[in-house]
Amino acid sequence: GENVEQHPSTLSVQEGDSAVIKCTYSDSASNYFPWYKQELGKRPQLIIDIRSNVGEKKDQRIAVTLNKTAKHFSLHITETQPEDSAVYFCAASVSGDYGQNFVFGPGTRLSVLP
Amino acid sequence: GAGVSQSPSNKVTEKGKDVELRCDPISGHTALYWYRQSLGQGLEFLIYFQGNSAPDKSGLPSDRFSAERTGGSVSTLTIQRTQQEDSAVYLCASSPWGDTQYFGPGTRLTVL
Repeated sequence: GENVEQHPSTLSVQEGDSAVIKCTYSDSASNYFPWYKQELGKRPQLIIDIRSNVGEKKDQRIAVTLNKTAKHFSLHITETQPEDSAVYFCAASVSGDYGQNFVFGPGTRLSVLP
Repeated sequence: GAGVSQSPSNKVTEKGKDVELRCDPISGHTALYWYRQSLGQGLEFLIYFQGNSAPDKSGLPSDRFSAERTGGSVSTLTIQRTQQEDSAVYLCASSPWGDTQYFGPGTRLTVL
């Protein structure tokens, strides 16, 4: 089955700086990579995702890059704001393969300091 | 449209009692997942349903945990003879075709 590692486990940045979170996966068949943001006491919410047929995707201040050869993908947040403070989870899956191949990373706690 | 809903939002129970947690997925979503999240921790996979069947029960922590789904819609997670270590937030998610998961607000279970 799939195994997903995520680094760092905690990350503190100054407001306005960039933040980068990296994930690696083990199953070369994985082709779908979502990122979820979970604010304190709230449900995880999808913020961006990428499929294996592209190498990068951007949505305003958030971008995700994928390196299929190295089996890693990264979340980039630019011009960080205090409201970006949350726990971020990556995941890897084989699209349409519902169960054991949808695996979450352990999470990164991001703190944006004013 | 309506998102994933869960009930109750909070449940306090005494050790040894049984509890039932309910999940209403987004209409039309064939896949449904249950996760457990302890305070400050990640998402622990419990079980998933494809339609009404549960091909992967590997994450259920013990035989005190069971789940069912009826009509390809509502799911219930039952914990029998609850223990203090069962205290956590139980999250449900649904997915239209096994990739993007949409989470419910969770049920916070406290076992005294």
